[in-house]
Amino acid sequence: GAVVSQHPSRVICKSGTSVKIECRSLDFQATTMFWYRQFPKQSLMLMATSNEGSKATYEQGVEKDKFLINHASLTLSTLTVTSAHPEDSSFYICSARDVRGENTEAFFGQGTRLTVV
Amino acid sequence: GQNIDQPTEMTATEGAIVQINCTYQTSGFNGLFWYQQHAGEAPTFLSYNVLDGLEEKGRFSSFLSRSKGYSYLLLKELQMKDSASYLCAVRNAGNMLTFGGGTRLMVKP
Repeated sequence: GAVVSQHPSRVICKSGTSVKIECRSLDFQATTMFWYRQFPKQSLMLMATSNEGSKATYEQGVEKDKFLINHASLTLSTLTVTSAHPEDSSFYICSARDVRGENTEAFFGQGTRLTVV
Repeated sequence: GQNIDQPTEMTATEGAIVQINCTYQTSGFNGLFWYQQHAGEAPTFLSYNVLDGLEEKGRFSSFLSRSKGYSYLLLKELQMKDSASYLCAVRNAGNMLTFGGGTRLMVKP
């Protein structure tokens, strides 16, 4: 299947700093990428939908000024957690959908474990 | 909106068969996915159903009934490595995926 690479896999940062997470589709082009957050023992919650060349669409309750999403190319989307706080500690996962067909599943990156201390 | 229900936890014995059910309500159905997720890892794709019926893939099978808003994932010849969370996800007409809460499966010897 297609490969989505997410980096870094783990990051520890201090409160108040910003963290950038990258999501790359390695062997296909993705007009749409999705960012999820997953707290322990809970399911994936969609944070935002990232569309190449346009503004991201955020789900209700997700602060767009805190979680900055940039989708500058068909193979790269970034999520920046700004002014991170301990409550932002979570598992962040991206997924990407191949432009060639809507009947393909979204492929997931490996996830990023963010710990804010 | 969308509502997806699946059992929180299940336990089964190595070598046995287990069925994980998923019921959903959605505005505009456009496919149902099953994913496996081991602790600390991202989900991996298992199956996709968009038409009614059974899709078989090795030890795993998935069934869909659109009229009943119902799907199940069937795991045969259970192995210890099958201990994981299994996520049911429904895609709506706008191609948005919504995940159920996941079912934590524990396989015992």
